[in-house]
Amino acid sequence: GQQVMQIPQYQHVQEGEDFTTYCNSSTTLSNIQWYKQRPGGHPVFLIQLVKSGEVKKQKRLTFQFGEAKKNSSLHITATQTTDVGTYFCAGIRYNFNKFYFGSGTKLNVKP
Amino acid sequence: GAVVSQHPSWVICKSGTSVKIECRSLDFQATTMFWYRQFPKQSLMLMATSNEGSKATYEQGVEKDKFLINHASLTLSTLTVTSAHPEDSSFYICSAEVDRSLGGYTFGSGTRLTVV
Repeated sequence: GQQVMQIPQYQHVQEGEDFTTYCNSSTTLSNIQWYKQRPGGHPVFLIQLVKSGEVKKQKRLTFQFGEAKKNSSLHITATQTTDVGTYFCAGIRYNFNKFYFGSGTKLNVKP
Repeated sequence: GAVVSQHPSWVICKSGTSVKIECRSLDFQATTMFWYRQFPKQSLMLMATSNEGSKATYEQGVEKDKFLINHASLTLSTLTVTSAHPEDSSFYICSAEVDRSLGGYTFGSGTRLTVV
């Protein structure tokens, strides 16, 4: 089956530092989505990327989709304690109406 | 926004019994729903795709007779864990596609199943 790898598994940062998580797929993706899951909560949709090389921003969050549509990244500038949680990417293959989650990156922000 | 209501939030059952989990789309119609399970500190693993009015599509390695999925209407999908065993203890969560053009799937709040 499709494999979506995500690194790092954990990241501990000081408040104000930047944070990046990377997602890599073994196959070309139709699109990729990013979710955030707080401890004890359910995944919340953040964004979808569709186009090759696409870059989208949401305030302090920057999302990128690779040119080959096999990798993606999420970058948070100047982290805050509210950013704590696990960030998942989820990739969708062409002609498949279902997606597979990456392994997630757990972010901890120290005040 | 679109909401998927999932019940129960948590359940404890005895080995050998069956447990039904419901997911309802409250303000939209969900032709397709997805069922995932999540082990502690791990990612979400897709179990099956539930299609309204037809049989569910199961991922490789998921026993369809163990995890019965029914999607009888456009607003309700159910997952029944039959003859539950302790190894079935997990966090089960459903999701539904809201708007394909915008992407994004809305998730239920999840069900924590503990089999004793």
